[in-house]
Amino acid sequence: KQEVTQIPAALSVPEGENLVLNCSFTDSAIYNLQWFRQDPGKGLTSLLLIQSSQREQTSGRLNASLDKSSGRSTLYIAASQPGDSATYLCAVRGSGYALNFGKGTSLLVTP
Amino acid sequence: DAGITQSPRYKITETGRQVTLMCHQTWSHSYMFWYRQDLGHGLRLIYYSAAADITDKGEVPDGYVVSRSKTENFPLTLESATRSQTSVYFCASSESIWGGNQPQHFGDGTRLSIL
Repeated sequence: KQEVTQIPAALSVPEGENLVLNCSFTDSAIYNLQWFRQDPGKGLTSLLLIQSSQREQTSGRLNASLDKSSGRSTLYIAASQPGDSATYLCAVRGSGYALNFGKGTSLLVTP
Repeated sequence: DAGITQSPRYKITETGRQVTLMCHQTWSHSYMFWYRQDLGHGLRLIYYSAAADITDKGEVPDGYVVSRSKTENFPLTLESATRSQTSVYFCASSESIWGGNQPQHFGDGTRLSIL
């Protein structure tokens, strides 16, 4: 069974810092990896999707990388802002239909 | 507006009652999913559907029933609610699951409490 781990579980940084969120998975046979943002009491917003054949994807201040062979992905957030405060979830899709989710990293960006 | 709409947003009910959570999407996506989110477990797949009238079990299907008579709707029914089914339920959809480049899009969730 695919296990997805996110480290750290919580992170607090001052505004303006660049930061990296980590995601690791145990089975490298994946179709894609998706990063989501979840605000308190809200649903999941898809941030980036990386296909298994890709190494990275970028959207604005966000950059996600994928190293399938080592079972790792990182989400890089440049010049963090208080509005980036949220929980970030990593999800991996293998051969089945389901996304396998990590438990998330709770990010707080302080002014 | 286009997207996924879940209703109700909040629901409180009692053990043994039947409750149905609704999910409606306007994209005409083929694939739809139900997940539950619990502290300590993250999100887990309950059921999914590949098309109208095609459904299958996910990781935690016990106690739940789904149907999909129309492409845009995917209701989830708890036939006899139990306290262990207190959770936040998310519906998601995807245009396709093949090719690896189709994201799953999520609704805002239904917060269900069973007393």
